[in-house]
Amino acid sequence: AQKVTQAQTEISVVEKEDVTLDCVYETRDTTYYLFWYKQPPSGELVFLIRRNSFDEQNEISGRYSWNFQKSTSSFNFTITASQVVDSAVYFCALMNYGGSQGNLIFGKGTKLSVKP
Amino acid sequence: DTAVSQTPKYLVTQMGNDKSIKCEQNLGHDTMYWYKQDSKKFLKIMFSYNNKELIINETVPNRFSPKSPDKAHLNLHINSLELGDSAVYFCASSHVLAHEQFFGPGTRLTVL
Repeated sequence: AQKVTQAQTEISVVEKEDVTLDCVYETRDTTYYLFWYKQPPSGELVFLIRRNSFDEQNEISGRYSWNFQKSTSSFNFTITASQVVDSAVYFCALMNYGGSQGNLIFGKGTKLSVKP
Repeated sequence: DTAVSQTPKYLVTQMGNDKSIKCEQNLGHDTMYWYKQDSKKFLKIMFSYNNKELIINETVPNRFSPKSPDKAHLNLHINSLELGDSAVYFCASSHVLAHEQFFGPGTRLTVL
């Protein structure tokens, strides 16, 4: 079975703090993709990153970084020096490569509130 | 320059009615999707449509029927609307199946 678990339902931090959003996934496939999406209060879903299962290199993009560890089936997301504009619901998602018709399997999301 | 657009943004209707939501993408993508986001923010795939092949999620009631007049459009028709259909419906598209999906702004459907 494929599953994505985001154990943190809500996180509240003060601006400039670093925050890590956890994501743990389950899949039997050896080839798969992992994603993060952001859903700000305005409601749209914004793509942040895609990683494939063969690439465990960590990724950094500005204040955002991602840590992919196959050994623990985790794909965690860290925001450094958080800002109020980072307040949103963040979704981690899994896509299996074979026979999945491209279906994204989403976690339940983590609501991040960044207070000034 | 909207990449994936949906109309309408809000839809309020009575139980039992039939309604449609339109989706268009101008990204030249081959694959389009419909997702449902419930009141708890849980997102779930409903359909994917790739190269004229429609993949139906078995848990979706047959009252829901996607229709694709061409590669750039995937509309969602819903018959005999029920209270439980109230949700936000997102359309998305991707270049190929394994690539990142770009989402439309969502359509908030309220069934009274």
